Amino acid sequence: GIQVEQSPPDLILQEGANSTLRCNFSDSVNNLQWFHQNPWGQLINLFYIPSGTKQNGRLSATTVATERYSLLYISSSQTTDSGVYFCAVTTGNQFYFGTGTSLTVIP
Amino acid sequence: KAGVTQTPRYLIKTRGQQVTLSCSPISGHRSVSWYQQTPGQGLQFLFEYFSETQRNKGNFPGRFSGRQFSNSRSEMNVSTLELGDSALYLCASSLGDLPNTEAFFGQGTRLTVV
Repeated sequence: GIQVEQSPPDLILQEGANSTLRCNFSDSVNNLQWFHQNPWGQLINLFYIPSGTKQNGRLSATTVATERYSLLYISSSQTTDSGVYFCAVTTGNQFYFGTGTSLTVIP
Repeated sequence: KAGVTQTPRYLIKTRGQQVTLSCSPISGHRSVSWYQQTPGQGLQFLFEYFSETQRNKGNFPGRFSGRQFSNSRSEMNVSTLELGDSALYLCASSLGDLPNTEAFFGQGTRLTVV
């Protein structure tokens, strides 16, 4: 199956700082999504981004499918941004998940 | 529009028992897939159903099974529970084929096997 690597594994930020999370994948994919896992375990959709760039408020994402990576940008981080961020790619009818980036935003 | 609903939210079972988890997808969504999340293995694919047909299955033993009903609701069953089955079980629904559409996840069922 496809290998999905996320970096960094852990990130600690001061409130107000910016950050970039990276997702590399080992093969061509049809789809890529970014999720934020809340403290109760639910995966919250951030971006559906097979290619190109999208923005939603303080968050934006870019996927360069030909180079097999995606980036998630968080600007002006807030404590509520804390949690684990996953990227997931699809080929066939299943997601392959990365191991996640655990983000902690300190007030 | 209601999201993906998983029931129950929490479950405690004894080794050797069996368990059934339920997932109701977003109205109109026909694909339901299931994932197991554990601290050691991360998020792993269990199976995917589309219009009552299992199209794909992950690398799990036969104790893990599932089905999908005509209203797209899905259930997964784990028989002869083992301690290692303790995990968060998540289901996702999508309108059509996963590669072409956005998927949405439910809140999960947290299973503890004692």
